[in-house]
Amino acid sequence: GESVGLHLPTLSVQEGDNSIINCAYSNSASDYFIWYKQESGKGPQFIIDIRSNMDKRQGQRVTVLLNKTVKHLSLQIAATQPGDSAVYFCAEESGTSYGKLTFGQGTILTVHP
Amino acid sequence: DTEVTQTPKHLVMGMTNKKSLKCEQHMGHRAMYWYKQKAKKPPELMFVYSYEKLSINESVPSRFSPECPNSSLLNLHLHALQPEDSALYLCASRPNPGVRETQYFGPGTRLLVL
Repeated sequence: GESVGLHLPTLSVQEGDNSIINCAYSNSASDYFIWYKQESGKGPQFIIDIRSNMDKRQGQRVTVLLNKTVKHLSLQIAATQPGDSAVYFCAEESGTSYGKLTFGQGTILTVHP
Repeated sequence: DTEVTQTPKHLVMGMTNKKSLKCEQHMGHRAMYWYKQKAKKPPELMFVYSYEKLSINESVPSRFSPECPNSSLLNLHLHALQPEDSALYLCASRPNPGVRETQYFGPGTRLLVL
């Protein structure tokens, strides 16, 4: 079936490095994408989103890139900090179903001081 | 008030019990959601309420019964659950059901079924 998935289940970086988390999706009807951060014992927290009419969107220390040709989404975190350690999920919403978010499998990001 | 609250934080119940999970938001959001999240897995959508009406049921077993009494409150009634139903139950909301924008999640209720 249609799914949103991640290439790497874990990512370990040093404090100050830049981190890149990748996500592949298979539903060509997807037109809205979100990155969430989930810390242990908490609900997912919104980081940044992007619509399919854009290729790139920047926030504070984060950038999301969307490549619709290869159905690929990435989250770049600049100057990664220990507080960035968490599980990161991509999620997509398709053009045919409002409110139905499909999540990727998640990447565990560990930042070493 | 810019958050989604959920009670209780933790719940332990037997397979013959009846319990309810509660979710509340006072942001004026008109779409509310229930998700189930197993350990080390992504959230999975269970139900969607749009303007207090059930709009999506993802083939959830009838032992889970959602209810939306008003635009601020969402309940999930539990009855005759199985041990495999043990999970983190997340509530979320977003301002407009028909507009693509992020969903805001609560902290979840961690449920253990014995």
